[in-house]
Amino acid sequence: AQKITQTQPGMFVQEKEAVTLDCTYDTSDQSYGLFWYKQPSSGEMIFLIYQGSYDEQNATEGRYSLNFQKARKSANLVISASQLGDSAMYFCAMSAENQAGTALIFGKGTTLSVSS
Amino acid sequence: EPEVTQTPSHQVTQMGQEVILRCVPISNHLYFYWYRQILGQKVEFLVSFYNNEISEKSEIFDDQFSVERPDGSNFTLKIRSTKLEDSAMYFCASSRTFSGTDTQYFGPGTRLTVL
Repeated sequence: AQKITQTQPGMFVQEKEAVTLDCTYDTSDQSYGLFWYKQPSSGEMIFLIYQGSYDEQNATEGRYSLNFQKARKSANLVISASQLGDSAMYFCAMSAENQAGTALIFGKGTTLSVSS
Repeated sequence: EPEVTQTPSHQVTQMGQEVILRCVPISNHLYFYWYRQILGQKVEFLVSFYNNEISEKSEIFDDQFSVERPDGSNFTLKIRSTKLEDSAMYFCASSRTFSGTDTQYFGPGTRLTVL
């Protein structure tokens, strides 16, 4: 069964610093996708970045990058130059191709607090 | 930019009552999903839907739950007889394809409170 583990319940960072949010996963599938979502206090789920299992290069989207280490089964999110608006809960999620469909499996999340 | 919308944003109901949560997926998306998030916990998959049929459902999605695409734009989740433990945030999501590598875009959620 697929599983996502986020071991950091909370992370604290100063504005303008970089921060890494950890995510490890477990799957026996060869083809899968890894996603990061941001959930601010208002509750919505905002898609940030995606990495496919066959992608050789790490994904980047603006200040977000994904440090993908396939052999170690890790997909850490790096946020560069943190901003106050980055304070939120961050979820790592995985999907896998299968016959029936593609439910996203989520980790428990990491709360990021950015201070000035 | 197209987005998934959900109504209502907050619903309060009495235990045993039926509720219908509504979603309008992104217009050119064909695959629809419901997830729920109990307060302080992780997001859990409920059901996926394509071509007017359920594609996959989790253990949570029991006979009390049903989904429907009543017209060309809406996608609904019905809880037939709500229980206290159904209190949660319910998210609708949609994607263009069923591929595990395609992004699912989430709506803002409906917070359901069962009293």
